[in-house]
Amino acid sequence: AQSVAQPEDQVNVAEGNPLTVKCTYSVSGNPYLFWYVQYPNRGLQFLLKYITGDNLVKGSYGFEAEFNKSQTSFHLKKPSALVSDSALYFCAVRPVNKFYFGSGTKLNVKP
Amino acid sequence: EPEVTQTPSHQVTQMGQEVILRCVPISNHLYFYWYRQILGQKVEFLVSFYNNEISEKSEIFDDQFSVERPDGSNFTLKIRSTKLEDSAMYFCASSSRQGVSIVGNQPQHFGDGTRLSIL
Repeated sequence: AQSVAQPEDQVNVAEGNPLTVKCTYSVSGNPYLFWYVQYPNRGLQFLLKYITGDNLVKGSYGFEAEFNKSQTSFHLKKPSALVSDSALYFCAVRPVNKFYFGSGTKLNVKP
Repeated sequence: EPEVTQTPSHQVTQMGQEVILRCVPISNHLYFYWYRQILGQKVEFLVSFYNNEISEKSEIFDDQFSVERPDGSNFTLKIRSTKLEDSAMYFCASSSRQGVSIVGNQPQHFGDGTRLSIL
C-alpha cells in the first residue's frame, strides 16, 4: 500500500536554530516528492519538490529538503528557523496522478 | 500571483441535503483536484480531473460525490446527500501542464478551502 509517514506530530525549535521535519514514504516506482505548508485557515502552499537529479532541493522561504533513496526519506530542513515559520507542514508523494499526503507536522518556532 | 479561489468559505447544511462547492482554478491550468481535510487529520485526495473527465478517484469519492466543469472557469464538487461525516475542509487545487513527457510533476496550487459543516 502507498503511504507517507511524518513520525512527529509536533516539532519545537528556538528561533535561529536549525530545524528538520521528517518524512518517509512507501510507494511503488520513483515518485515525485513535495513539501507543502499550511497556515491557519489557509490552503496548502507549495514549498519545494524533488523530481530527479540533485538530492538536495532548495525551495521557498529558505527551506530545503534532502532526498535519500535508500532510506526512502525526504526530510525538510532550514538552517535558521524564524518565528514566522510556525505552521503545519505536509509531505506529499505523487506516484501517478494523485497525491498521498502525510499526516502533517506542526512546527513551533519560539522566540 | 494568480490564485485558486473557492466559494463559499463556510457552508452549513442539514444532513441529507445536497451541497455544491465551487472553485475557480488558475486560468491556464488544465488539471483540477479536490481534497478534504477532516479537522485535525491528514489531507485526503478525493478526485483528479482533466480534459472534462475524472482521471483518478479515491475510495472516498463514492456515488454521492460528483465533479463538473460547467464552464471555462468553474470547477465544482457536489455531494448529493450529505452525511455528518462529510463535515471537513474541502480544498480545490489546480496544476499546469508543461510538456507531455513531464506531465504530472507540476506543483498543485491550492485554494483556501471551504469549511463544510453538516448538522
